[in-house]
Amino acid sequence: AQSVTQLDSHVSVSEGTPVLLRCNYSSSYSPSLFWYVQHPNKGLQLLLKYTSAATLVKGINGFEAEFKKSETSFHLTKPSAHMSDAAEYFCVVRSKTSYDKVIFGPGTSLSVIP
Amino acid sequence: DGGITQSPKYLFRKEGQNVTLSCEQNLNHDAMYWYRQDPGQGLRLIYYSQIVNDFQKGDIAEGYSVSREKKESFPLTVTSAQKNPTAFYLCASSKPETGPNYGYTFGSGTRLTVV
Repeated sequence: AQSVTQLDSHVSVSEGTPVLLRCNYSSSYSPSLFWYVQHPNKGLQLLLKYTSAATLVKGINGFEAEFKKSETSFHLTKPSAHMSDAAEYFCVVRSKTSYDKVIFGPGTSLSVIP
Repeated sequence: DGGITQSPKYLFRKEGQNVTLSCEQNLNHDAMYWYRQDPGQGLRLIYYSQIVNDFQKGDIAEGYSVSREKKESFPLTVTSAQKNPTAFYLCASSKPETGPNYGYTFGSGTRLTVV
């Protein structure tokens, strides 16, 4: 069985400070993991993905995530938050062996304080 | 530029009416998906289609119907049987699973409100 847990429903940071959005997963198979960002009333945009290559994945807009199998985690980080980073972030797990097994986490809302 | 187009952006429906949401892609993706998004619940899969003329139910298919007559198009009909249709609907597409780049491409969504 697969599942995704995003440990924080809401995170608030000051502009220029680091961002950490936490994601833990459960998967019976070797998973692929993704982070998506959604700005208000918009579709989802792919930030980055892990597909069993390098465990540290760099994405767009300065975000990166590290796959830690021992901790079953895929936390999203950014060294310095920008006002435009304020959005909803979704962690997603997908099994390579089952086409329709794509699970979205409940999302983490990121606020950036000036 | 390639992408997914959803229309309309906002849709209002009277109770008891069927309504169809449009989703068109020019990415030459084989697979297409419909998701429903409600506050605090993430995304839930309604229907998906891997190839033309074939589609499968997702987790919450009741009250919805789809068709896939063309590779580019995957319209979603919200029927009167759907008890709580007010939500944000997202369409997505992806390349075949065997490739490494099978992240989804999403449309910009349709917000459906029942009045």
